Formats: sequence, structure tokens, C-alpha cells
Amino acid sequence: DVKVTQSSRYLVKRTGEKVFLECVQDMDHENMFWYRQDPGLGLRLIYFSYDVKMKEKGDIPEGYSVSREKKERFSLILESASTNQTSMYLCASSLSAGVGYTFGSGTRLTVV
Amino acid sequence: AQSVTQLDSQVPVFEEAPVELRCNYSSSVSVYLFWYVQYPNQGLQLLLKYLSGSTLVKGINGFEAEFNKSQTSFHLRKPSVHISDTAEYFCAVSEITGTASKLTFGTGTRLQVTL
Repeated sequence: DVKVTQSSRYLVKRTGEKVFLECVQDMDHENMFWYRQDPGLGLRLIYFSYDVKMKEKGDIPEGYSVSREKKERFSLILESASTNQTSMYLCASSLSAGVGYTFGSGTRLTVV
Repeated sequence: AQSVTQLDSQVPVFEEAPVELRCNYSSSVSVYLFWYVQYPNQGLQLLLKYLSGSTLVKGINGFEAEFNKSQTSFHLRKPSVHISDTAEYFCAVSEITGTASKLTFGTGTRLQVTL
């Protein structure tokens, strides 16, 4: 089975801190994604990457950046954390459009 | 641009009763369709998908969904639910175009199964 591992289940950070959320997949997938999940809003795409060093903005990229230096690792960066970035963050990877995604367990980030 | 509407935010149902979770989508091109389930404090797990062919697709845990192109719907059904089906269910659509398989998700339906 494909595994997508998010390094932290829970994080508490202070306003203004730089925050790194790490995601690693073990099945050589080309595509990787970062979503945030909020009650009543479902999952919203922040950034995605279809190859090493390639990235594209999703629907809500403001306040975030990403890094993909190796195929298996996709990092989400909050340059200066704010309270409205308190959320559940989900990483996913996929081989192709028809296969669907494999998700990590999520990181619940609280910014105080 | 693609979009997904899940018409019910919450669906309460008794154990062993049938259930239908509704999903409608909008897209100007052909799409793939998916249903995911999220149990408490977990990530999302793929339930089933429609790519092409038969419009009735079967998934895990006894769920099935029917693709209706004319009504742009992909409703999820189960003939008899169990307590363990209590979870949040997400419908998602992916346009068959582009380099990366972006999924657009609905806002989710919380299925609450009680005795």
C-alpha cells in the first residue's frame, strides 16, 4: 500500500512564526498536493506539484509557499503564520488522474 | 472550472436503513468522479470511483454510486448502513485534462448512524 506520511499530527505555533509542514510518500508518485480542511468548507487546494521543483498554485495559495526538492517529499511553508491559518492540513499523492489520491492522516495546526 | 455540490451537510439514519448521499458536479469537459470517506481524526480513504464504462460503480464497505451524465450527478448509496459507517463523506471531481490530476471536493456530508 502507498503510504503518505505527515510528520506531525498536532502543531501549535505563534502568530508570525515560520511554519513547515512536511509530507513524504513512498510510491514514486509524480503528483503531490496540499489541502486545508475547514468545517463547512470541505477541502480546498493550496498548492500542488506534478514533478520535482515544479509547483502550481491551487485555489487558496495566499500566505503559503511550497518546496519539492525530491520526488518523495512535498513541504508546505507558512511564511508568517496567522490565526486564520488554524486548520487541518492534508497532504496527498497520486500516480495519475484516474487512480485517485492517497491521503496522509493530516496535521491539525493551531496558530495562537 | 469544475465544482461539486453536496446537497446535504448532515444525514441522520437508523442502523440497517438505506441511505443516499447526493452529489452534483459542474464541468465543461469530461470528468472522473470519486467518493472519499473520512473517519474521525483520520485522513481521507477512497470509497469508489467512476472513470468510464458502466454507470453503476461498486466500492468498499458495500457502497455503490451511479453516474448520471444528463443530471450531472454521482449519488452514493448503501442499502443497509451500520454504526461503523458513521463518518464524513466527500464527493470529488477531476477534469480529464492538464498535467496534474487536480481534485475538487464538495463540502462534505456527515452521515450519522444510530440504533
